[in-house]
Amino acid sequence: GAVVSQHPSRVICKSGTSVKIECRSLDFQATTMFWYRQFPKQSLMLMATSNEGSKATYEQGVEKDKFLINHASLTLSTLTVTSAHPEDSSFYICSARGGRPADGYTFGSGTRLTVV
Amino acid sequence: AQSVTQLGSHVSVSEGALVLLRCNYSSSVPPYLFWYVQYPNQGLQLLLKYTTGATLVKGINGFEAEFKKSETSFHLTKPSAHMSDAAEYFCAVSEKGNNRLAFGKGNQVVVIP
Repeated sequence: GAVVSQHPSRVICKSGTSVKIECRSLDFQATTMFWYRQFPKQSLMLMATSNEGSKATYEQGVEKDKFLINHASLTLSTLTVTSAHPEDSSFYICSARGGRPADGYTFGSGTRLTVV
Repeated sequence: AQSVTQLGSHVSVSEGALVLLRCNYSSSVPPYLFWYVQYPNQGLQLLLKYTTGATLVKGINGFEAEFKKSETSFHLTKPSAHMSDAAEYFCAVSEKGNNRLAFGKGNQVVVIP
């Protein structure tokens, strides 16, 4: 079945530094990738949608200059948290979808970001 | 826009008892419906999905769900709960022509030995 690899699984960084999270579709071409943020014991909050080769579409209230998304190929999307602060600490999850909506969405294993 | 309602954030079930998680959706067009399971500090794993065709959908780990258009529901069931079923469960809906996947708030399932 479809597999999405997300790295790193955990990262601790100092306040003010930047962190990059990678999301790769291993056995299919992901025309669309999504980035979510999940707070403890809550549902997933969609941050942005990215299509290969075009700029990401950010949800209302998400700072696009802080959360940089690049979808340079059909198998790779990256989320960079710039100038991270403790309030950016969270669980970030990517998902990818193939060409058909009925294919559903395959999720990465998530990244636990802790900013100290 | 599509939306999902999952009532009861915490669901306790005895080991061996029926698991029933309710999901109601709102969609302006025929929906695609999904149930996902999430274990602590992990991503979401697809349990099952409904796109078209048979309304009773069987998934992994003994789960199944039935799409009922008249009730706008997609409830998840498993006849006999196992300790390994303790996890967070999310119902989600998407629409043909719409990229977005709308999630319910989730159900935290606790299995009592």
